[in-house]
Amino acid sequence: KAGVTQTPRYLIKTRGQQVTLSCSPISGHRSVSWYQQTPGQGLQFLFEYFSETQRNKGNFPGRFSGRQFSNSRSEMNVSTLELGDSALYLCASSLLPGVYSEQYFGPGTRLTVT
Amino acid sequence: AQSVTQPDIHITVSEGASLELRCNYSYGATPYLFWYVQSPGQGLQLLLKYFSGDTLVQGIKGFEAEFKRSQSSFNLRKPSVHWSDAAEYFCAVGASGGSNYKLTFGKGTLLTVNP
Repeated sequence: KAGVTQTPRYLIKTRGQQVTLSCSPISGHRSVSWYQQTPGQGLQFLFEYFSETQRNKGNFPGRFSGRQFSNSRSEMNVSTLELGDSALYLCASSLLPGVYSEQYFGPGTRLTVT
Repeated sequence: AQSVTQPDIHITVSEGASLELRCNYSYGATPYLFWYVQSPGQGLQLLLKYFSGDTLVQGIKGFEAEFKRSQSSFNLRKPSVHWSDAAEYFCAVGASGGSNYKLTFGKGTLLTVNP
């Protein structure tokens, strides 16, 4: 079956703009998590959604937000972009939330802020 | 708060040689431990995981890892490395308990394989 799909794969934005990234989970998966990956900070957890509800949130400013739709697709939004937001944003889906349910990662969206 | 340390930023081995990637964690309760691999331009793929039971865990692609509670370690091993194993490897710890789920990753170890 198809894996996790993230769109777009690459994005270039200017400081101060906002951006929306999309994630389509594996069919049947109801939980979606988002991570930010940078060379300096590594992989950091952003948030987790299950059944359209945010279950957990990492230590990121309020400029980072997300949502999940009834078909389990998820979007994350970053407003007022800063240079430091340049990163690879990874989405992962799983059948259920929590550590017992294996996460499957998408290829990521590479965001560059200039 | 949980944390993961991967002491080796970059390791180079020859093809056919054995491999051990180190991982140390900090977590107050019984940890849930994972190893992921990331190839260039790809997302992460789960190699293996430890929740409980046998401390020696077998994974995909011939990898194994051993949980040592006394050393707070979960080192990844492979007896004979193939060129296709060149990638970045991440150790992660997951907090237990429903709504408090959170996966914390180490900074990663980049593996280079020489022919």
